[in-house]
Amino acid sequence: EVQLVESGGGLVPPGGSLRLSCAASGFTLSLYWMHWVRQVPGKGLLWVSRINSDGMTTDYADSVKGRFTISRDNAKNTVYLQMNSLRADDTAVYYCVRSRGSGFDWGQGTLVTVSS
Amino acid sequence: DIALTQFPDSLAVSLGERATINCKSGQSLFYSSNNRNYLAWYQHKPGQPPKLLIYWASTREFGVPDRFSGSGSGTDFTLTISSLQPEDVAVYYCHQYYTTPDTFGQGTRLEIK
Repeated sequence: EVQLVESGGGLVPPGGSLRLSCAASGFTLSLYWMHWVRQVPGKGLLWVSRINSDGMTTDYADSVKGRFTISRDNAKNTVYLQMNSLRADDTAVYYCVRSRGSGFDWGQGTLVTVSS
Repeated sequence: DIALTQFPDSLAVSLGERATINCKSGQSLFYSSNNRNYLAWYQHKPGQPPKLLIYWASTREFGVPDRFSGSGSGTDFTLTISSLQPEDVAVYYCHQYYTTPDTFGQGTRLEIK
């Protein structure tokens, strides 16, 4: 069974940093592109970032470019999202997502709250 | 970015009746080299992650009840629930994976009338 378990969310002041982790199991992580998608409470889904299977190619939404960094350690079956210079509008549930190339499989999500 | 617009924003349907949700794309999601439309549908219930229902616009995910179906091509797509059940109350999203960035529709909230 595919499992994606996010961790690392929490409360952080504006300008602070957090690193989210996504522990993958039930499949061979190194074969899949992985993404992060976020959802502001009560709002819709917004794609944040993606990384290819070997970690050499990354893409970011314009709203996080230069502040967030996606990475992966296939040996540890883990994907990361380093979030710096956090702003109030980054407050959201962050989902780790596996791309099948034909849709997404989703983790449970982790809540990030940016507030003083 | 490819904009996806869903309509209606919310929908109330009686149990056992048909529910239809539409998704219009700002550009074609059809890739002629493999004859596929790069569009998926998800069901999202509170406190749970989104669940993949339909991919390639019309292929039902394994384990999804056959009352759920997807149709359409190019820029216009539809998710149909043929006979609404209580457990179908949720927000439904379309998603294009034709090009980066992936984008989602704004969501359609489905309720029981």
